[in-house]
Amino acid sequence: QVQLVQSGSELKKPGASVKVSCKASGYTFTSYAMNWVRQAPGQGLEWMGWINTNTGNPTYAQGFTGRFVFSLDTSVSTAYLQISSLKAEDTAVYYCARVPSHKRNIDYWGQGTLVTVSS
Amino acid sequence: SYVLTQPPSVSVAPGQTARITCGGNNIGSKSVHWYQQKPGQAPVLVVYDDSDRPSGIPERFSGSNSGNTATLTISRVEAGDEADYYCQVWDSSSDLYVFGTGTKVTVL
Repeated sequence: QVQLVQSGSELKKPGASVKVSCKASGYTFTSYAMNWVRQAPGQGLEWMGWINTNTGNPTYAQGFTGRFVFSLDTSVSTAYLQISSLKAEDTAVYYCARVPSHKRNIDYWGQGTLVTVSS
Repeated sequence: SYVLTQPPSVSVAPGQTARITCGGNNIGSKSVHWYQQKPGQAPVLVVYDDSDRPSGIPERFSGSNSGNTATLTISRVEAGDEADYYCQVWDSSSDLYVFGTGTKVTVL
């Protein structure tokens, strides 16, 4: 069965970096786009962007350029989200989420990774 | 940028029908998808392409889309339907995904 398993919660200090992983299983990794979605505490869902798992080409939504980087390791079917120069307002749950080819909806989500930024 | 507006909350008695709206400029020309999110859990797709249901989603969940409003309808509401619901579209003009503001459904 399809699974997206994310790395565990992180507690970071302002200015540090964090790398969240999302390991896919149960399907051909390169056949589906991987998206990233942020949810701040008590807030709604916010689309961060996506990465083409065939080409590795990322697309970033407004507000997620510069400090946010999507990457892949297709040899282990894993997508990564790296955030640098962390700020308190980056505190949120980050989800990886799969989008089927030729579709524009998310069909599977990771369990989420809580990143807490606090001094 | 494209904006999707949902009511913050909807309350419904068990067994009744809940209707959750998602407003957007000419949203009827787009495909709308709906997600259910229970506390502490990842979202789950409940309706895609306006009115299709993924396997495993009860027929009680249905969707429609026309004009400037899309609607998720939950019939014969159960206590387990209590959750936040989000609509989502892809905005072709900007090539970006957009989520609605979210609606909390409370079962009385």
